[in-house]
This record gives sequence, C-alpha cells and structure tokens, in this order.
Amino acid sequence: QKEVEQDPGPLSVPEGAIVSLNCTYSNSAFQYFMWYRQYSRKGPELLMYTYSSGNKEDGRFTAQVDKSSKYISLFIRDSQPSDSATYLCAMSSNYGGATNKLIFGTGTLLAVQP
Amino acid sequence: NAGVMQNPRHLVRRRGQEARLRCSPMKGHSHVYWYRQLPEEGLKFMVYLQKENIIDESGMPKERFSAEFPKEGPSILRIQQVVRGDSAAYFCASSPPNSQETQYFGPGTRLLVL
Repeated sequence: QKEVEQDPGPLSVPEGAIVSLNCTYSNSAFQYFMWYRQYSRKGPELLMYTYSSGNKEDGRFTAQVDKSSKYISLFIRDSQPSDSATYLCAMSSNYGGATNKLIFGTGTLLAVQP
Repeated sequence: NAGVMQNPRHLVRRRGQEARLRCSPMKGHSHVYWYRQLPEEGLKFMVYLQKENIIDESGMPKERFSAEFPKEGPSILRIQQVVRGDSAAYFCASSPPNSQETQYFGPGTRLLVL
C-alpha cells in the first residue's frame, strides 16, 4: 500500500464548476499537508499549505485536512480553463527526527472545459 | 525575485556518460531537496542537503548517484555512468531555514539517456 493515495483522473469539468480533489494517507505521523499545481512540463507550484487538521481558504481555493480519517481535500470554486493542470497532494513530518521530505500522491489531472 | 533556478533545463546523455544537474535555491533559503519524477509516476524524494551537509539521503540510489551543496555555488546532483532508466525529470526544491515543510520547486531538468 502506498503511503499517499490519489485518484489519477482525468477529471473533466465545465467552466464555473466546483472541483473536489482528494488524497488519503496511511502514516499518522504526517503533520504538514500541501497541494501543488503542475502544468505540463513545468515544476510544481505550491498552492496551499496546512498544518495539522482544519480548513484553510485562499481565494477560490480551500484546503481541508481530516487527520482522524487520514483524508485531505482541495476545493476549487468557479473553476477556470487556466486551472487545467495536474494537482499533487504532498505530506511531510518532522516528528521523531523526520526531515520534512515530501511524500507525494501521483497527481490528479484536471481539465476545465470552456 | 528569482525563484529556484535549475540548469540545464534539458540534458541528453549516452549510456555510460556522466550527468551533472545544478540547482540554485531561492534567495535566503538554505535547504535544498532533490526529487525525481519518472514517466507515469509521482515525485519521489531523493536527498536533502544544507550547506556543506547531507541531512537525508534515504531516497538516493546506492550507486552512481551523489549530491552536494557546497559553501559557495549551487547544489549539484551527479549521476555517473547513466543508464536508460535514469531518464526522468529531476526537480530541486528549496525552503527557508525555519520552515522546511514549505518547499518551492524549480522548473526541473529533463534528462534523456540514449
């Protein structure tokens, strides 16, 4: 079993839709939860960062972490064609001497249709 | 405000040659991470360095791969005697001193081994 599971998609939605992206994980030591956006043949871009459980909102993006269920989500409101990209969840821990190396999901490919 | 810089962006090598990938972190960042992205796979951690020190190399293959981050100059990921299976995108990320979990990625170096 992978430490981080993410549905690879592809996920296709019409412009303006609310998008929900999710990851599950197995390592209860993870404390930091990130979402990255990666356009084709580019480097990952940090979108959202959350420490421990809870919600965080930034513009059209909302990140949720439920540590009891080991489940994280990213919501995109009013999706735009420019949101079309691969979305990667990532997690890390510095508990017990761990070094905050990021463990990534495989990414979900999102296509927003105009 | 320059982000993480990587060069070259594309590198072609024949089997048995050496590949040297360079990474300059963001200004003020003293932590460098290297990740590899194989086709159809997610990003995988390779190594974490601070200036003149390797902190975590648990993701590095035991042979042919090495990394350094000297006191002056960029971080270098070196692959000796490359094989076709080394073909991948190699990404460098950097983080500020007191926030290692927030890692910012460079554009990557795409290595092709013929």
